Amino acid sequence: DAGVTQSPTHLIKTRGQQVTLRCSPKSGHDTVSWYQQALGQGPQFIFQYYEEEERQRGNFPDRFSGHQFPNYSSELNVNALLLGDSALYLCASSLVRGLGGAFFGQGTRLTVV
Amino acid sequence: GDSVTQMEGPVTLSEEAFLTINCTYTATGYPSLFWYVQYPGEGLQLLLKATKADDKGSNKGFEATYRKETTSFHLEKGSVQVSDSAVYFCALSGRMDTGNQFYFGTGTSLTVIP
Repeated sequence: DAGVTQSPTHLIKTRGQQVTLRCSPKSGHDTVSWYQQALGQGPQFIFQYYEEEERQRGNFPDRFSGHQFPNYSSELNVNALLLGDSALYLCASSLVRGLGGAFFGQGTRLTVV
Repeated sequence: GDSVTQMEGPVTLSEEAFLTINCTYTATGYPSLFWYVQYPGEGLQLLLKATKADDKGSNKGFEATYRKETTSFHLEKGSVQVSDSAVYFCALSGRMDTGNQFYFGTGTSLTVIP
């Protein structure tokens, strides 16, 4: 079992550009959540996808959007990048009705210059 | 809203010392509680969890008990090792009908010196 895999691991983008991050959930999981972790902070919830729909959303602007595919994999898109978007982006997979917690990927380190 | 308050670090201990990292929470309903650990340059790893009051989660010598009366979930280990050096996050996950959204504390950095 490969667990949760994210790509790419590191990314450098210029302010104003757009970026797409990808996530494959742990085998058997049906729910994907995305988190932003700024340096020295705890992860902040961006949104969650289940059955290819956004199920919940945190306090993030519309520049942040996502998608879930029929195979449960997911993408996070960020438009009009700001310097403040520089962070570690974590994908977490889980079961929608499970209490077992979420499994996190290694994250994508995004640097906006 | 739901939230987690975690003891601020950094914490520096000598090997074999006793560890406590305090965590308190605010939540509606009956959340599940978790401790995650993050090693440098890596994602989060689930360390232990408890899904109802008075449950004790344990793993790799770490323990935490879900205390509803004090809304706490303090992490403890009797004898820390150098390999335990990492950042520890307390988290809660709410009702199942809200999915598995996690609310994290700000993290506590632990350094264990030989």
